[in-house]
Amino acid sequence: GDSVTQTEGLVTLTEGLPVMLNCTYQSTYSPFLFWYVQHLNEAPKLLLKSFTDNKRPEHQGFHATLHKSSSSFHLQKSSAQLSDSALYYCALRRSTGGNNKLTFGQGTVLSVIP
Amino acid sequence: ETAVFQTPNYHVTQVGNEVSFNCKQTLGHDTMYWYKQDSKKLLKIMFSYNNKQLIVNETVPRRFSPQSSDKAHLNLRIKSVEPEDSAVYLCASSYSYNYAEQFFGPGTRLTVL
Repeated sequence: GDSVTQTEGLVTLTEGLPVMLNCTYQSTYSPFLFWYVQHLNEAPKLLLKSFTDNKRPEHQGFHATLHKSSSSFHLQKSSAQLSDSALYYCALRRSTGGNNKLTFGQGTVLSVIP
Repeated sequence: ETAVFQTPNYHVTQVGNEVSFNCKQTLGHDTMYWYKQDSKKLLKIMFSYNNKQLIVNETVPRRFSPQSSDKAHLNLRIKSVEPEDSAVYLCASSYSYNYAEQFFGPGTRLTVL
C-alpha cells in the first residue's frame, strides 16, 4: 500500500534559519505529493502540491521539489519566521484510481523561536 | 463566506452514547470526506462521498456511519462510542473526486469519558 514518512516529531529552529522538513514516500502509482499546514486550533490548509512537469511549487516562501528517483518531496524555506510555527503534513494521492484518497504522513511540528 | 463548516466544535460524552457531527460546505464541491486526527496527530481518511454516493470506506468500526442528504452536507454518526474514539474529526471537500486539492473544516473534538 501507499505510505508517507516525515521527519519525526518536533523540529525547533531559531528565527531566520533555513527550514527543511523531510518527506519520503512509497507508492506504485507515481503519485501527486502535497504539503498541508495546520496552525494551532485551525483547519489543515494546502501549502504546496507537486506538478507533473518538474516545476518547483512555491508558496509563502516555502518550496518543495518532487524527486521520483529518491521518492522524496522535502519542504524547504530559506528563512524561518515565527508565524511558520505549525504542524506540517506531507501527503500523497495516486495519479490513477479516481477516489482522490489522500495518504498522510505522521506530521512534523515546526517550532520557530526568537 | 465560502468554506467548510463543522458543528459542534467540541463534544464530551460517556462511553456507550451515540453522537452525531455535522459538516456543510458552501464551496459548491461535489466530493466530501471525513478524516480522524488522533491524539498523536495521525490523520487518516474514514469515508469519502461524491455527489451523495459513498466512494471510499476505509476500515473503520461499524459503529461509524456517514450520512449525506445532498452534496453540500456530510454528517457522521457514531453509535455507542468507545474511549478510542476520542479524537478530532475533520471534514473536507474537493471540487470533484478527480481534483486533488481538499479544503478542510476546523474539526470537531470528541472526548469520550
